[in-house]
Amino acid sequence: SQELEQSPQSLIVQEGKNLTINCTSSKTLYGLYWYKQKYGEGLIFLMMLQKGGEEKSHEKITAKLDEKKQQSSLHITASQPSHAGIYLCGAAYSGAGSYQLTFGKGTKLSVIP
Amino acid sequence: EPEVTQTPSHQVTQMGQEVILRCVPISNHLYFYWYRQILGQKVEFLVSFYNNEISEKSEIFDDQFSVERPDGSNFTLKIRSTKLEDSAMYFCASRPGTGNNQPQHFGDGTRLSIL
Repeated sequence: SQELEQSPQSLIVQEGKNLTINCTSSKTLYGLYWYKQKYGEGLIFLMMLQKGGEEKSHEKITAKLDEKKQQSSLHITASQPSHAGIYLCGAAYSGAGSYQLTFGKGTKLSVIP
Repeated sequence: EPEVTQTPSHQVTQMGQEVILRCVPISNHLYFYWYRQILGQKVEFLVSFYNNEISEKSEIFDDQFSVERPDGSNFTLKIRSTKLEDSAMYFCASRPGTGNNQPQHFGDGTRLSIL
């Protein structure tokens, strides 16, 4: 089984609709990072969560880390075509060392105008 | 805003040849990373580098791979004798330093195609 599961794998929404992407870990997270990737391009950092219950927002995107630190959700309010892309969650499982990230398979988001 | 830059954007190489992928991390960052993403698969950690030595490496990072920081700005990934299965997008990343509240910043990647 995967260490980090993302759901759904893909999502098609009408512009203006809200949506949620989930990221579930099989182990306790030390840190959870959300990135956005456009096809063939690099990963753009969105948000980082570390404390159980933590919630962060940037523009229309909100990310939460649950109390038990094993699941995170990314919520987009009033989606726009610019939100389209692949959303990746990355987990740090240790507070020591280099904080290497383990990534989920990603959620492909399409926004229909 | 400072960014991680990678060159080339696309590299085509014959199987068995050596290839060097180059990265310029963000200035004053101390931790450097290489990840790869095989087409259709997830991003996988290869190696991290700190204080001029490898900090951690994955099972993928075998003897065919090496990393180097030849000067104060570049960070390179070398594959000695490429295989077909090395075809992937390779991403370089950097972060400011120790401390648990600093994200990794990624470059746009080098697409490596092995023929």
